[in-house]
Amino acid sequence: ILNVEQSPQSLHVQEGDSTNFTCSFPSSNFYALHWYRWETAKSPEALFVMTLNGDEKKKGRISATLNTKEGYSYLYIKGSQPEDSATYLCAFMGGSQGNLIFGKGTKLSVKP
Amino acid sequence: GAVVSQHPSWVICKSGTSVKIECRSLDFQATTMFWYRQFPKQSLMLMATSNEGSKATYEQGVEKDKFLINHASLTLSTLTVTSAHPEDSSFYICSPRTSGFQETQYFGPGTRLLVL
Repeated sequence: ILNVEQSPQSLHVQEGDSTNFTCSFPSSNFYALHWYRWETAKSPEALFVMTLNGDEKKKGRISATLNTKEGYSYLYIKGSQPEDSATYLCAFMGGSQGNLIFGKGTKLSVKP
Repeated sequence: GAVVSQHPSWVICKSGTSVKIECRSLDFQATTMFWYRQFPKQSLMLMATSNEGSKATYEQGVEKDKFLINHASLTLSTLTVTSAHPEDSSFYICSPRTSGFQETQYFGPGTRLLVL
């Protein structure tokens, strides 16, 4: 059974703080790693699709890194804002089937 | 990003009734549709995968006769929970994808099902 773990489960920060969370996934048979941002009552929004070891991607104040050899990815948010409050999901895609295997998510709350 | 609608967003029904959930990709054609469900404090779990015009492939432990999936067109897929029971209460979410494994996978907003 393939396991994707995210930590921490939840995080409370003050506006302006920078923060990061972790996604760990199987290091074998890697194909891609997806990050999503999911606000309550909305569709999960795709942030990044990462495919290459050492990949770094950035979108505004949010960035992500990827280490496929050791099986982890970090998501960073610089200068958190209340609108960043959401659950951040990572999903591992392995092999040729292309199914996404999700972690349980990290719920971020940013206090103004 | 792509727009995916899912209807209804909330449904409460009595045990034994059937519930149909619709998923539409509004501005792109979904060659593949994934259906997930999420129980409280758990991750999104894949239930089934369907390609337009083909029968769905179900994950282990998901009853194909209970969760009927129809993917008749490239913009519409439906999931019908037949004879729903309280243990089927969950959050159901569709995820259409265009061709190519590394394409971004989009999601509907989900349907919360509560079976009394």
